[in-house]
Amino acid sequence: EIVLTQSPGALSLSPGERATLSCRASQSVSSNFLAWYQQKPGQAPRLLIYGASSRATGIPDRFSGSGSGTDFTLTISRLEPEDFAVYYCQQYGNSPFTFGPGTKVDIK
Amino acid sequence: QVQLQESGPGLVKPSETLSLTCTVSDGSISTSYWTWIRQPPGKGLEWIGYIYYSGSTNYNPSLKSRVTISLDASKSQFSLQLSSVTAADTAVYFCARSRWAYGAQDYWGQGTLVTVSS
Repeated sequence: EIVLTQSPGALSLSPGERATLSCRASQSVSSNFLAWYQQKPGQAPRLLIYGASSRATGIPDRFSGSGSGTDFTLTISRLEPEDFAVYYCQQYGNSPFTFGPGTKVDIK
Repeated sequence: QVQLQESGPGLVKPSETLSLTCTVSDGSISTSYWTWIRQPPGKGLEWIGYIYYSGSTNYNPSLKSRVTISLDASKSQFSLQLSSVTAADTAVYFCARSRWAYGAQDYWGQGTLVTVSS
């Protein structure tokens, strides 16, 4: 089973600032099948990025994903008030599909 | 726009079987992979498994001995059964869709909280 580690565990930033979130895998993720999700309290996760760098339908271009192999990054170029949430990475290239523990982005 | 809705009991007794159903709104049940994911209160996400229209399934080994996912295309529904539950199975259970077997989950239900308690 691939274990995903996310850092930092929490990030305090102001609106307009840049957020950089990291996801590291215990072994190479097959075909870079790495996704990022955003989850707000009481809501289901929302798919942001798939295939490490492809934005899902309707996702603003301030969200971008990069990386390959074992190291992946989600960047939010300029935080909007609605972006404060928990972000999870998931690998779906090797079964069982696994999630990271999440990074909470809150308002400074 | 695919819509998914979970339904089922919110309270299950220890050692019994948890049963949930997910209804798919748009008739795409025969063309996608249908997944269950859970989230214990205040914790992270755990992938449970998926089913395809053909009946093929893929389960998380950590739950495989207790999990059954089934599909009823005539009702546009798929279901989760988790047997011999304990308090550790208390979680919000989400149903979700993937376009492919190895695919991210692009549509999710709102989730339903299931509490295991006597």
